[in-house]
Amino acid sequence: DVVMTQSPLSLPVILGQPASISCRSSQSLLHSDGNTYLNWFQQRPGQSPRRLFYKVSNRDSGVPDRFSGSGSGTDFTLKISRVEAEDVGVYYCMQGTHWPLYTFGQGTKLEIK
Amino acid sequence: EVQLVESGGGLVKPGGSLRLSCAASGFTFSKTWMNWVRQAPGKGLEWVGRIKSKTDGGTTDYAAPVKGRFTISRDDSKNTLYLQMNSLKTEDTAVYYCANGGQDAWGQGTLVTVSS
Repeated sequence: DVVMTQSPLSLPVILGQPASISCRSSQSLLHSDGNTYLNWFQQRPGQSPRRLFYKVSNRDSGVPDRFSGSGSGTDFTLKISRVEAEDVGVYYCMQGTHWPLYTFGQGTKLEIK
Repeated sequence: EVQLVESGGGLVKPGGSLRLSCAASGFTFSKTWMNWVRQAPGKGLEWVGRIKSKTDGGTTDYAAPVKGRFTISRDDSKNTLYLQMNSLKTEDTAVYYCANGGQDAWGQGTLVTVSS
């Protein structure tokens, strides 16, 4: 099975400062169809998950451009250029390339320092 | 506006059964693959299973922990997704979310508690 490993698991950040979350997969997420099925989700406290990016770097509608997704193969990153209070929550990466169909990372809890 | 509304959660004893529903609106449900994802209290997200659209075969796939115990189905005439959960275990305690195929739309979740 593909294992998704996020780091750090806890991320205290000062308002206005940048933040970065790493997601590594145990196998390359490059699909035979040429796509890389790596999504990022945000889950604010008490809310349902919300997709931020699909296929690594495609930003969903309504996601501020201070968020960016990048990476390839087994190594992926979610960056926030300037953290705002509304960014507090848990961030998950998820692969959709290999069986089991979808595998999530453990989650990274972002909090304001 | 896309809406997904889960229902049917509650308290059930180990070994018992429960059926969850997910009412969909705001999109063409019949053409959409659908997922169930769960989240145990204080834990991360875990994919449970998926059902394809009938035009794509209507087949289902399940995560190993639930395979053989859970069944996903759909009623396109009612725009509703179902999750039949049998032989429930304490470790199935979680909030259960339905999400569309691309996971860009999620419901609010329904809590299932398996306890004696």
